[in-house]
Amino acid sequence: DAGVTQSPTHLIKTRGQQVTLRCSPKSGHDTVSWYQQALGQGPQFIFQYYEEEERQRGNFPDRFSGHQFPNYSSELNVNALLLGDSALYLCASRTLRDGQNSPLHFGNGTRLTVT
Amino acid sequence: AQSVTQLGSHVSVSEGALVLLRCNYSSSVPPYLFWYVQYPNQGLQLLLKYTSAATLVKGINGFEAEFKKSETSFHLTKPSAHMSDAAEYFCAVSPSGAGSYQLTFGKGTKLSVIP
Repeated sequence: DAGVTQSPTHLIKTRGQQVTLRCSPKSGHDTVSWYQQALGQGPQFIFQYYEEEERQRGNFPDRFSGHQFPNYSSELNVNALLLGDSALYLCASRTLRDGQNSPLHFGNGTRLTVT
Repeated sequence: AQSVTQLGSHVSVSEGALVLLRCNYSSSVPPYLFWYVQYPNQGLQLLLKYTSAATLVKGINGFEAEFKKSETSFHLTKPSAHMSDAAEYFCAVSPSGAGSYQLTFGKGTKLSVIP
């Protein structure tokens, strides 16, 4: 049973460019969340997708956008990259019907470096 | 707004010694509480969760945590540290009310185990 998978594992981009990160949720999960983890910090919530719609959003600018596909996989897009966007981006999935106390399952993340 | 404070960004213990990692939360109502572990270059793995049932929660790898409402704490303990416990540990909180699935993480505590 595959867990949460993310691609690519590492990425280097230049300031001003755009990037797309991809995530496949754990089998049976229907909800995908994205988190940004800066070096030495805890993960910060970006947004959550369910039924192909953004359901909740953290304190991130509109440069961060996402998408969820009918097969529950998801993409995170970041436009106009800044140096401060360099971080580990984590995707997490769960099953919404299991409720708010159902644990998130995390992927190993995509390490984004902006130069 | 909820918040999590983890006391001590680095904790060192000898192999076989007690592990105590501290977490205090701020929330207007008792929330759901989680401890996650992160090994280098990996995502987060759930250790245990508190969801308003028993106040003493047992998790994987011999870890446990006690929810103390009067102290707004959820400290993580393990009676005897093993070398494989060296990792970063994150405490996280999620509101127990309907409508929000966002996890708020602490900044993490890096645990070193000395042979």
